[in-house]
Amino acid sequence: QVQLVESGGGLVKPGGSLRLSCAASGFTFSDYYMSWIRQAPGKGLEWVSYMSGGRRYTNYADSVKGRFTISRDNAKNSLYLQMNSLRAEDTAVYYCARLSSWGPAIDYWGQGTLVTVSS
Amino acid sequence: DIQMTQSPSSVSASVGDRVTITCRASQGISSWLAWYQQKPGKAPKLLIFAASSLQSGVPSRFSGSGSGTDFTLSISSLQPEDFATYYCQQASNFPFTFGPGTKVDIK
Repeated sequence: QVQLVESGGGLVKPGGSLRLSCAASGFTFSDYYMSWIRQAPGKGLEWVSYMSGGRRYTNYADSVKGRFTISRDNAKNSLYLQMNSLRAEDTAVYYCARLSSWGPAIDYWGQGTLVTVSS
Repeated sequence: DIQMTQSPSSVSASVGDRVTITCRASQGISSWLAWYQQKPGKAPKLLIFAASSLQSGVPSRFSGSGSGTDFTLSISSLQPEDFATYYCQQASNFPFTFGPGTKVDIK
C-alpha cells in the first residue's frame, strides 16, 4: 500500500533553516509528481510546491519562492523540502503528497510534520 | 491566482440528512476541480476529482457536479463518519488553490 512518511519538522527561530524529508513506498515513485502542501494551525490548505517525476518541472507558491527548494531522489524514493529564511507565517503542518494520475489532485497524503517558527 | 469560495462555511445536520456544499471559482476552470474531506488531526482525503468522478473506495453517497465556475458536493444520506471539514481545490492553474472549507457538524 502507498505510504508517505514525513520527518524533519520542529522548532526553528525566524531566519533559520530546516529540511523536511518524505519517504515513499508502495508505488513506483519516479512515475509520479510529488508535492508539499501546508496547513497553518486552525487554517486552510496551501499548495507550497510540486516536482515532476523526472525532476524536470517544479513550481512554487509566491509566498515561498526564493526561500524554499523542492528536490527528490528517485533512487531513494524520497522527496525533500529545503526551507530557508523561515518566517513566523511559515508555521504549519507540512504534508508530503502524491499527485493523482488524473492531474493536480492529491490522492495520497503523509501524516504531516509540524514546523514551528518562533523565537 | 484563482480564488475559491465555499458556502456555507458551516452546516449543522443530522444523520440521514442530505447535505450540499457549493464551491465557486473566480474564473472558469472547466472540470478541473477536486473535493477533499478532512477530520481533526488527520490529513485530507480525496473524495472527488474531475468535478464529478468518485475516487476509488469512496462511498457512493458522495457525488460532485458542476463545471466552469460553479460546483457542488452532495452527501445523499449523512453518516456519523461524515462529520468533518470539506475543501474544494482547483486543479486548473498553479498555484492550485483550495477553498476555505465547510465544516459539517452534528445538529
